[in-house]
Amino acid sequence: QVQLVQSGAEVKKPGASVKVSCKASGYTFTSYHMHWVRQAPGQGLEWMGIINPTGGTTSYAQRFQGRITMTRDTSTSTVYMELSSLRSQDTAVYYCAKGGGGGSNIDYWGQGTLVTVSS
Amino acid sequence: QPVLTQSSSASASLGSSVKVTCTLSSGHSSYIIAWHQQQPGKAPRYLMKLEGSGNYNKGSGVPDRFSGSSSGAERYLTVSNLQSEDEADYYCETWNSDSRVFGGGTKLTVL
Repeated sequence: QVQLVQSGAEVKKPGASVKVSCKASGYTFTSYHMHWVRQAPGQGLEWMGIINPTGGTTSYAQRFQGRITMTRDTSTSTVYMELSSLRSQDTAVYYCAKGGGGGSNIDYWGQGTLVTVSS
Repeated sequence: QPVLTQSSSASASLGSSVKVTCTLSSGHSSYIIAWHQQQPGKAPRYLMKLEGSGNYNKGSGVPDRFSGSSSGAERYLTVSNLQSEDEADYYCETWNSDSRVFGGGTKLTVL
């Protein structure tokens, strides 16, 4: 069965960076894109970007351009999302989410990683 | 870029049915969407992919009580025989090339 297991909660100071990991299993890692989505407390879902695990190509939402980097390690079937220059408004739960075939919808979600930005 | 509009809340009684609506913006009425459920304190869960024709494909393990339908730019999620565990936030999702868009979510209360 498909599983996406994310790294644990983080507490960061404003201006710092955070790197969240997502280890995939139960399917062919390089056959499906991976998304990152975040959810601020009490708010809705916000798409951040996508990575193609085959070649590592990425596409980011405009509001995160310049602050976000997504990478992958095919040897461990793990994707990473690093967000820099953190501010309090980045406090949120960050989810990795597997894309369906053919560039379609998300069909599996990780359990989420809480990132708290506080001085 | 498409925009998805959802009403912020809906409610219905235990054992009844409820229809949650997601509306696609002008010029995007043919787009396929997906529905996701987020129970309190949990990660979202994929429910189904829904086409403009009304055809839908559900995710693994999604109960038969969940179904989808479409009319023009509107996409519907119907939950029949409401159970207490159906109380959750429901989000629609669509995509354009590599980017994804979510609706604002509908909070469903089971009375």
